[in-house]
Amino acid sequence: AQKVTQAQTEISVVEKEDVTLDCVYETRDTTYYLFWYKQPPSGELVFLIRRNSFDEQNEISGRYSWNFQKSTSSFNFTITASQVVDSAVYFCALSDTLAGSQGNLIFGKGTKLSVKP
Amino acid sequence: DTEVTQTPKHLVMGMTNKKSLKCEQHMGHRAMYWYKQKAKKPPELMFVYSYEKLSINESVPSRFSPECPNSSLLNLHLHALQPEDSALYLCATKGGEHPSRELFFGEGSRLTVL
Repeated sequence: AQKVTQAQTEISVVEKEDVTLDCVYETRDTTYYLFWYKQPPSGELVFLIRRNSFDEQNEISGRYSWNFQKSTSSFNFTITASQVVDSAVYFCALSDTLAGSQGNLIFGKGTKLSVKP
Repeated sequence: DTEVTQTPKHLVMGMTNKKSLKCEQHMGHRAMYWYKQKAKKPPELMFVYSYEKLSINESVPSRFSPECPNSSLLNLHLHALQPEDSALYLCATKGGEHPSRELFFGEGSRLTVL
């Protein structure tokens, strides 16, 4: 069965600190896709990144970086020099050919990040 | 600006009311979704429309009735709801059915059932 675990329910940091959000996934499929979404208080889930199971390259986009490690089934997300605007709930999600052929994303429970000034 | 627009943003209704939530997208996507999100929980899939036909119904009670009048519009008709149906209802679209495609979400309609 597919599963996404975000063990950190809430994280609170002070502005300019670095913070890493953990994501561990389970799937029997060899082809799968991992996503991170940000949900600010406005409610809309904003797509941040997709990574497929064949591409273990880490990615950096500005202050955001992602570390994908198949050996530990993890897809962690790091925000460098956090800002108040980064405050949101962050969801890690999994889609594979077993359950995702029509968008059936498996979401983790989310991590609420609070960045204080 | 979001390309998936949901109305109304907030809705309060009684258990005997009939109301509708609306979603409009201009991304040319042919797959549209309804999700329900309770407080402090992840979104839960309710319905999927593909090319204007209902393709997935995740065992949602019949008091929720989806409708896809055309490729740009998605409605969720509500009737005889219960207080536990109070939640954020999110519409989403996708550019194709492949699992690699990301979902684009609207800001949601926050529903309160009294």
